[in-house]
Amino acid sequence: QQQVKQSPQSLIVQKGGISIINCAYENTAFDYFPWYQQFPGKGPALLIAIRPDVSEKKEGRFTISFNKSAKQFSLHIMDSQPGDSATYFCAANLSGTYKYIFGTGTRLKVLA
Amino acid sequence: NAGVTQTPKFQVLKTGQSMTLQCAQDMNHEYMSWYRQDPGMGLRLIHYSVGAGITDQGEVPNGYNVSRSTTEDFPLRLLSAAPSQTSVYFCASSYSRRLAGAYEQYFGPGTRLTVT
Repeated sequence: QQQVKQSPQSLIVQKGGISIINCAYENTAFDYFPWYQQFPGKGPALLIAIRPDVSEKKEGRFTISFNKSAKQFSLHIMDSQPGDSATYFCAANLSGTYKYIFGTGTRLKVLA
Repeated sequence: NAGVTQTPKFQVLKTGQSMTLQCAQDMNHEYMSWYRQDPGMGLRLIHYSVGAGITDQGEVPNGYNVSRSTTEDFPLRLLSAAPSQTSVYFCASSYSRRLAGAYEQYFGPGTRLTVT
């Protein structure tokens, strides 16, 4: 199974709140898990990424939590801002290849 | 550096027409790929290349051709456009995985294609 399942499909959060987006995978051959941020009319841009030997990675207001045994990882956006309103994609890289499998995306709207 | 550039930004084709979407990168990346983005389906890999002269199929290759004659360019050809190919197409590039820690993919701005 090479799918990456992402939820929720859309998310509305108040300014200052925490946004949480979840992804799950089946294939244990994935060995790199990036999150991408995409604004309307633009290409996706790498936001933060993690490898499975680490349980958490934090960069500013963005944190990835990784649960290897459950095959799940999530993006947490602390103190969410209206400028964070975008579509977020999780992805997984198949070990030994250049192939990335993407989740279906989460449209985040942060209310001012 | 211009990064990853794509042309055109928008294109309308009639069913059966052919065209080439252009992609170029100036970062000397070995790996380049094409994705299509459809609502509710995320990004799906069409074709990819690990270097000049080397290409391979992704998840959804049917109806598309690619070639890689130089490190910089990776054009995507639609042989006979169909309405099902209406989508936003993204080109991406990255360093070779042989470089430790260099996994980041850089995406172009996309080409929005409509087939009528």
